[in-house]
Amino acid sequence: GAGVSQTPSNKVTEKGKYVELRCDPISGHTALYWYRQSLGQGPEFLIYFQGTGAADDSGLPNDRFFAVRPEGSVSTLKIQRTERGDSAVYLCASSLTVAGPSTDTQYFGPGTRLTVL
Amino acid sequence: AQSVAQPEDQVNVAEGNPLTVKCTYSVSGNPYLFWYVQYPNRGLQFLLKYITGDNLVKGSYGFEAEFNKSQTSFHLKKPSALVSDSALYFCAVRDRRSGNTGKLIFGQGTTLQVKP
Repeated sequence: GAGVSQTPSNKVTEKGKYVELRCDPISGHTALYWYRQSLGQGPEFLIYFQGTGAADDSGLPNDRFFAVRPEGSVSTLKIQRTERGDSAVYLCASSLTVAGPSTDTQYFGPGTRLTVL
Repeated sequence: AQSVAQPEDQVNVAEGNPLTVKCTYSVSGNPYLFWYVQYPNRGLQFLLKYITGDNLVKGSYGFEAEFNKSQTSFHLKKPSALVSDSALYFCAVRDRRSGNTGKLIFGQGTTLQVKP
């Protein structure tokens, strides 16, 4: 079946601009995660949705970052007033959440590479 | 604080030889442990996980990992490496006591190079 998809695959923007990154999870997966991967680093957690609500947003670096999942499926990560330090690959993952999110396997999308000039 | 360490930036092995990619963790409680692999310009692919039970976990593509509680380690192994195994490998941990969240803490990654 179809995996997690993310659009766009690449996004180049200028400092100070607003960007939106989209994630389509695997059909039927109720849990959705956003991570950020900087060059040479492992992914860092940003936010976790269970259904429509953000169950854990402790990883969002500041109030310029916001994410929504209004219908419990597609999610959008929004970054306001982008800075050069926001340049990274933004990864989305989803999981089924049958046994519980702690034991679930997260399946990752290919990522969106964001470059802020 | 929870953390994961992958002490080797790169591991080089010859095709056909056994490989080991090391991972150690630090969490307050008992962990759930995961290995993922990342190929260039692609997302992370799940390899295996330890939740409970047998300390030796078998996963995709012939990989396995052994949970060692006393050494707080979860090393990834394969008896016979293939050139196609060359990729970036990430170890990740989730604290069982972290509540109703699936947040993963990742190591910095280890590049595996398998030479013909």
